[in-house]
This record gives sequence, C-alpha cells and structure tokens, in this order.
Amino acid sequence: GAGVSQSPRYKVAKRGQDVALRCDPISGHVSLFWYQQALGQGPEFLTYFQNEAQLDKSGLPSDRFFAERPEGSVSTLKIQRTQQEDSAVYLCASSLASAPGPNEQFFGPGTRLTVL
Amino acid sequence: SQQGEEDPQALSIQEGENATMNCSYKTSINNLQWYRQNSGRGLVHLILIRSNEREKHSGRLRVTLDTSKKSSSLLITASRAADTASYFCATDSDSNYQLIWGAGTKLIIKP
Repeated sequence: GAGVSQSPRYKVAKRGQDVALRCDPISGHVSLFWYQQALGQGPEFLTYFQNEAQLDKSGLPSDRFFAERPEGSVSTLKIQRTQQEDSAVYLCASSLASAPGPNEQFFGPGTRLTVL
Repeated sequence: SQQGEEDPQALSIQEGENATMNCSYKTSINNLQWYRQNSGRGLVHLILIRSNEREKHSGRLRVTLDTSKKSSSLLITASRAADTASYFCATDSDSNYQLIWGAGTKLIIKP
C-alpha cells in the first residue's frame, strides 16, 4: 500500500475486555513503532521492532500490553483486560532505516480506543 | 515522559500572516524533527534538522536550531487555512531511533 494503515480506526471496549490493534507498515520498512497519544498530548513511545525483533518495549505501561511482529511486516498491539486509562489513540509508524541514524517515521491514521 | 515543550500551546492568526512556534528540549540530541497532525491526515513529517545544522528551509517552512539553548523554532510563512493543525517537535534519544515528543502547538489560521 501507499502508506501505513491501521485497523480498526475506532474501537470501543468494555472495561476488562481484550483488544487487538493491527498495523500494516509500508512495504520494505525495517523499523516499526507503536505510540500512545492521549488527548492534547504528543505521542508517547510504547515499543520498537526491527524486522521481527522487538528491540525495545520499555514504553509499554504494564504487562497487560503486548506487541508482536512475527514475520517482520504486520504488527499487532494487544491490550488485555482493558482499563479506562487505556483510552487513547494508538499510533503505528514505520521507517525505512534501522538504527543507528536519523529516521523519518511514517505514521498511520491511528486507532482511537475508548474503554467504557 | 516527554522531552520537548512547544510554545505557545495554541496560536491563532489571520491567513497570510507568519506563524512561529518554538520547541525546547532537555538533553543533547542528534537531530530534531517537526511533524504536523490534523484530523484528516494524521501525523505527517515536515522537516528534519541535524544537530550540526543551524537553519533549514523547505517551501514555506523555516526551521532553526540552537543547540546551546536546546531550542528550535518553526516558521510558517504566508499561512493558509490548510496549515491549521497541531505541530510537534520530536527529538531522538540516546538509542538513536526512539523519538521523544513535545505536547504540541495548536495552530489555527483564520480566513
């Protein structure tokens, strides 16, 4: 595809429900990032993949959050037992380059998660 | 936690005027990037400036970087209604891939 796509665009979950958010990066992009963005704030880093390897998951807020990229392309962010504080926009970005070096990140439209 | 702080938090100007937004950061960087976010298109990369550069231009955008003051500015000249969006600065971290973001400046261009 031409850009990064994410699905679903909107997700409403009841507290305690598990959710899975999908990201399709730009074909051939080595790096993939997940961010969480609260209303009125900038994105907060969650995790980083280089191909299928998860090199950094230091931003995941709790062990309820899990991300994978098994074949080095599509990635899924899973949140178990959702809480109201998980409500946010979840952004996925991909980059052609791998570390080190400056990288322009290409963002998907995000998934807006609302936990009731 | 967020490294950058944009200033002002919100800015409203008339179409055709210039808009200036500032970003301050805390730790040393390798490069600084500016992004734009609006509801229609999500986050879009605007420009990257490396730590050894002082000024960079791209169309109607001019970015400056002062590493001694740990600050950057984004100037948009001859603003248009389509420039209405939130603007974020993002700096790299020691890891050289993780971007650390400010809270953004919300820019409104009045027709």
